Amino acid sequence: GENVEQHPSTLSVQEGDSAVIKCTYSDSASNYFPWYKQELGKRPQLIIDIRSNVGEKKDQRIAVTLNKTAKHFSLHITETQPEDSAVYFCAARAPGGGADGLTFGKGTHLIIQP
Amino acid sequence: DAEITQSPRHKITETGRQVTLACHQTWNHNNMFWYRQDLGHGLRLIHYSYGVHDTNKGEVSDGYSVSRSNTEDLPLTLESAASSQTSVYFCASSKPGLAGGSVNEQFFGPGTRLTVL
Repeated sequence: GENVEQHPSTLSVQEGDSAVIKCTYSDSASNYFPWYKQELGKRPQLIIDIRSNVGEKKDQRIAVTLNKTAKHFSLHITETQPEDSAVYFCAARAPGGGADGLTFGKGTHLIIQP
Repeated sequence: DAEITQSPRHKITETGRQVTLACHQTWNHNNMFWYRQDLGHGLRLIHYSYGVHDTNKGEVSDGYSVSRSNTEDLPLTLESAASSQTSVYFCASSKPGLAGGSVNEQFFGPGTRLTVL
């Protein structure tokens, strides 16, 4: 089955700086890569996603890049703000077997220092 | 507004007891999923369903079962609760993808914190 590795597990950046979280996946057939943000005690919420036919996607301060050859994708947050502090999860979906279930990374705790 | 809800939000039970966690969505989504979230493991897929009477095992299905008798609900049952099943459980739903393997966003419920003593 699919395996997703996520790094780093904790990331501390100064407010206003950029943050980058990286993920690798194992199944070359994976075709959908969402990123979820989870605040303490809350549910995961989708912040951005990318499909395998696209190399980069941007939404205001958030961008995701995908390198299918290397099987890795990254989340970039620019001009970080205190409200960006949360746990971020990457995920991948491999279409084999008809499953839409996602395989998640173990999460990155992003801390924005004032 | 359409939404996805879970109940109860918190549950404490004893080892060996049967427990059922409810998940209800009003989006009329065909796809529904159950995940568990544990520190150091992220979210792991337990079971999923593509529609009424359809259920499938995920990565960590041992000790769990689901049933889908209508579009709105996918209850998760722990047949004989074990301490290893202490976790936060999230239900999610999504619209079916188009032909060709496309996937739609999964929306998560608020979660149920289960403690097995």
